Amino acid sequence: ETGVTQSPTHLIKTRGQQVTLRCSSQSGHNTVSWYQQALGQGPQFIFQYYREEENGRGNFPPRFSGLQFPNYSSELNVNALELDDSALYLCASSLSAGGTARQYFGPGTRLTVL
Amino acid sequence: AQSVTQLDSQVPVFEEAPVELRCNYSSSVSVYLFWYVQYPNQGLQLLLKYLSGSTLVESINGFEAEFNKSQTSFHLRKPSVHISDTAEYFCAVSEGPGDTPLVFGKGTRLSVIA
Repeated sequence: ETGVTQSPTHLIKTRGQQVTLRCSSQSGHNTVSWYQQALGQGPQFIFQYYREEENGRGNFPPRFSGLQFPNYSSELNVNALELDDSALYLCASSLSAGGTARQYFGPGTRLTVL
Repeated sequence: AQSVTQLDSQVPVFEEAPVELRCNYSSSVSVYLFWYVQYPNQGLQLLLKYLSGSTLVESINGFEAEFNKSQTSFHLRKPSVHISDTAEYFCAVSEGPGDTPLVFGKGTRLSVIA
């Protein structure tokens, strides 16, 4: 096990609603990255947070937003949910200090949008 | 922009037979290559990575992959598979060796048949 936890494990929402997903980093890690894995696809990078600041963003609209807290846990917020937002959302934590920091993935949150 | 192509979406193989999962990448910058494994209802686990040095990299559970720059490939191989190797395998590329965002392929489903 990696020590990265995510909650909830499963979630069902309806189109137009808002959702918040949570990620608790591995102890000592200061960086969190979020990925979206649609059914039958590989994960796609959403954004990364380093010491509470956004540190890079993939090709996702602004209704995908995030936060990182002083304890380095993180939230992913999605507004105005669309059917295509149904996916497994993965977070990965790492200790960024340059060099070869490794990302450790959590088990994911399965979001279904009806 | 970087991209990864996994040429086979599904690979069935008999137990104790050899297997090769193919991965090709494209990148205009230096590449760092990874293989991740995803077991059912679990997150991604790093299997092995190529950062620099020897082009042949090995994992602790018998998998190996070879970086071939001229063919832009990073195929994963195992000489003898076990039932427990049944999982989804993702090839990924990044521009940096650490926690730089990963670009994943669509995955290859390896099914080991008894």
